[in-house]
Amino acid sequence: LAKTTQPISMDSYEGQEVNITCSHNNIATNDYITWYQQFPSQGPRFIIQGYKTKVTNEVASLFIPADRKSSTLSLPRVSLSDTAVYYCLVGSKGSQGNLIFGKGTKLSVKP
Amino acid sequence: GAVVSQHPSRVICKSGTSVKIECRSLDFQATTMFWYRQFPKQSLMLMATSNEGSKATYEQGVEKDKFLINHASLTLSTLTVTSAHPEDSSFYICSALGQGPYEQYFGPGTRLTVT
Repeated sequence: LAKTTQPISMDSYEGQEVNITCSHNNIATNDYITWYQQFPSQGPRFIIQGYKTKVTNEVASLFIPADRKSSTLSLPRVSLSDTAVYYCLVGSKGSQGNLIFGKGTKLSVKP
Repeated sequence: GAVVSQHPSRVICKSGTSVKIECRSLDFQATTMFWYRQFPKQSLMLMATSNEGSKATYEQGVEKDKFLINHASLTLSTLTVTSAHPEDSSFYICSALGQGPYEQYFGPGTRLTVT
């Protein structure tokens, strides 16, 4: 299973755009890249998923370069409620679907 | 989107007793569910993979006789912590594999405190 590397923490201010980059050098051909958000004492919540290029939904964008060895989660105009831990994971049903969580990135949004 | 529930949300039990945690997929069938454990300020650690109708697959270092997993139906998996000890106190989270290319839906978690 591909391992991921993310910054341990990031600070931002309300209204700013936040970009969190994740490295996954050993990503397999069948692997998808998925980002989750977790608040204290809650289960992880799905944010966005992609395989290549760019994916955008109502809360975030995901940028994936051609070699797929990294990905960047972009959160536009963050608010205080976006303070959470963000996990980048790679996996596929071909790898039995289980996810190995890295340490994640603790994002702190300040007023 | 798909919803996964857990029950109870929090439980306190005495050392030496057993406690069962339920994980349900509410609006979809899940042949595969996963159980994670999370200690304070740490990441989620995969404990086991639960497949409907077959034995669970445990990660290295997780005692299968202590953490009993049963996946008797396509919407329910249970984790029973047997002979609980204070060091088993943790946040237990389940997830279910969806039908798409690759989707995993997480439950809200169960806070277990062993006194």
